Amino acid sequence: DSGVTQTPKHLITATGQRVTLRCSPRSGDLSVYWYQQSLDQGLQFLIQYYNGEERAKGNILERFSAQQFPDLHSELNLSSLELGDSALYFCASSPVGDTEAFFGQGTRLTVV
Amino acid sequence: AQTVTQSQPEMSVQEAETVTLSCTYDTSESDYYLFWYKQPPSRQMILVIRQEAYKQQNATENRFSVNFQKAAKSFSLKISDSQLGDAAMYFCAYRSKGAQKLVFGQGTRLTINP
Repeated sequence: DSGVTQTPKHLITATGQRVTLRCSPRSGDLSVYWYQQSLDQGLQFLIQYYNGEERAKGNILERFSAQQFPDLHSELNLSSLELGDSALYFCASSPVGDTEAFFGQGTRLTVV
Repeated sequence: AQTVTQSQPEMSVQEAETVTLSCTYDTSESDYYLFWYKQPPSRQMILVIRQEAYKQQNATENRFSVNFQKAAKSFSLKISDSQLGDAAMYFCAYRSKGAQKLVFGQGTRLTINP
C-alpha cells in the first residue's frame, strides 16, 4: 500500500457527462500529480499541484480541470466526456524535494 | 522534450532465470533521474529501482539491478532469479532534476513461465 488513496476505483458513465475523481495523498506530501494511462497514449502526465497551487501542466485537455484543497486532497474534474477519455487515471504524491512519486491504485473510467 | 523508448513490447523468461529489459531515452540535460516501475494486474504502479544520473554506480535492489550507460542514454533493468510474482508490465521513466513530472516509456509486458 503506497498510502495514496483514490476514489472511486471504477466509474462508468455516458458520453457528455461530467465526473470527479478524488485523490488523498500520503500524509505530509505536498505535491499531487495526475496521470492518464490509455492504450493508445500510454502513461501521460496531466497536471501537478503543490500545496494548493498549480505547479506544472502537461497534456491536459481543456475539458479537464483539477484542484488541490487546503487539506491537500485533490480532485480531477472531467467534463463533456468522450469515448476516448476512457482510461486509467492515476494520482501520485511526493514530499518536498527530489524524491520519487508514490502512486495510488488508479480510477478506471469507462465512457459508454 | 525528453522521450523514453522501450523497444520490447513483450518478454518472457523461465522461472529462476535472468531477464533484461531495455530502455533508451533522449535528453539534452546532464542531471536527471531514471526509474523502473512495475505494474502488476492489480494496476498499482510500484517503484522498483531508481538511478541518479550523476552517480556512476549502477543501482541495485535485491534481485533487481540496472545497467546505466549515460553516454549511450541506455538504462536497462536486470531481474535475477525471476519469480512468478515478477510478472507485470514494466515501465521505464525519466524525470528532470528539479521537475517532478515523469516521462514514461510504452512499457514491456514480462511473463514468467513456471
